[in-house]
Amino acid sequence: DVKVTQSSRYLVKRTGEKVFLECVQDMDHENMFWYRQDPGLGLRLIYFSYDVKMKEKGDIPEGYSVSREKKERFSLILESASTNQTSMYLCASTVNEKLFFGSGTQLSVL
Amino acid sequence: AQRVTQPEKLLSVFKGAPVELKCNYSYSGSPELFWYVQYSRQRLQLLLRHISRESIKGSTADLNKGETSFHLKKPFAQEEDSAMYYCALSRNSGNTPLVFGKGTRLSVIA
Repeated sequence: DVKVTQSSRYLVKRTGEKVFLECVQDMDHENMFWYRQDPGLGLRLIYFSYDVKMKEKGDIPEGYSVSREKKERFSLILESASTNQTSMYLCASTVNEKLFFGSGTQLSVL
Repeated sequence: AQRVTQPEKLLSVFKGAPVELKCNYSYSGSPELFWYVQYSRQRLQLLLRHISRESIKGSTADLNKGETSFHLKKPFAQEEDSAMYYCALSRNSGNTPLVFGKGTRLSVIA
């Protein structure tokens, strides 16, 4: 079974802090994605990556950056957290367009 | 632009009743469509995929290109079907990110 692991289930941070959300997959997938999930807004794509050191902006990249130094790890970075970034963050990897999701990180920015 | 519309935020049905979750899309090419589901306290997972007809839990969906729809159907709702359902569209062939609808929460009443 594919395993996509997000390092934290819950995070509480203060406005202005730099936040790192980590995601690791164990199936040697090339493609990895970060989405945020908000009630009434569905899943919105933040960033994605097709290979190591490659990244592409999604639909809502503002305020975020990503890092992919190794194939199995895709990190989402909030350079200066703001309250409007309070959300559930979902990492996913994919093969043949079938997405495998992590269990999510619920981030609260106070 | 590609878009997925799920017109119902919440759908409540009685146990044993048929269920139809609506999904409409806009896309100029040949679409690849999916349904993803998130049960309570579980991660988001693939429920049904149009191209491969891969599905779980007895769900079906027919692609209607004339009406640009991909409605999810279950003949008899069960309490364990209560979940959040997302319809998704692949933007192009290959490994491009999925576009998700805003989701429909299905509540099955005993």
